[in-house]
Amino acid sequence: EAGVAQSPRYKIIEKRQSVAFWCNPISGHATLYWYQQILGQGPKLLIQFQNNGVVDDSQLPKDRFSAERLKGVDSTLKIQPAKLEDSAVYLCASSLVVRGRETQYFGPGTRLLVL
Amino acid sequence: GENVEQHPSTLSVQEGDSAVIKCTYSDSASNYFPWYKQELGKRPQLIIDIRSNVGEKKDQRIAVTLNKTAKHFSLHITETQPEDSAVYFCAASYSGGGADGLTFGKGTHLIIQP
Repeated sequence: EAGVAQSPRYKIIEKRQSVAFWCNPISGHATLYWYQQILGQGPKLLIQFQNNGVVDDSQLPKDRFSAERLKGVDSTLKIQPAKLEDSAVYLCASSLVVRGRETQYFGPGTRLLVL
Repeated sequence: GENVEQHPSTLSVQEGDSAVIKCTYSDSASNYFPWYKQELGKRPQLIIDIRSNVGEKKDQRIAVTLNKTAKHFSLHITETQPEDSAVYFCAASYSGGGADGLTFGKGTHLIIQP
């Protein structure tokens, strides 16, 4: 089966600019996550969607980050305006719960560099 | 919220030897503990996971152990090979039968020396 798709793979912007990332989850996966992975660290959860509703966005910096998952399939993550510390890899993951058990599958990520 | 500590940050072993990576978690409600392998520039890939109703799980050269009382879990890789070189992340979450975001450790860079 096809995996989680993300685009673009790389993005370089200047601080205070805006940027958007796109994620297409595995077909049929109801849950979608966005994680931020800063160099040398583990992924950090930003937001979790169940279908098109937000389940957890407690760690999303809402003054500059926004995300949506219209129609419960694809999702976009936006940063406006970007700061230097937003330089990171943004990973999208999707999951399916089977018999009460969930497994998350990650996309290749979008590597963002803010100058 | 959950906090996951992972040690060591770097581990170098001779090819053929065993490698052990350890993690501790803070939230006693956590009941799902996956391990991901991430090669340079690539996506994290699930290699093994364990749920709190078992103490050990094995898949060929990889095994994971869980001590719920002490709130720690470990990854064991035996007969290490060059292709095992990567960054390994442990994670924890509470799964109440649904989906839940993962809290990751900071990662262990495993280096297999030929």
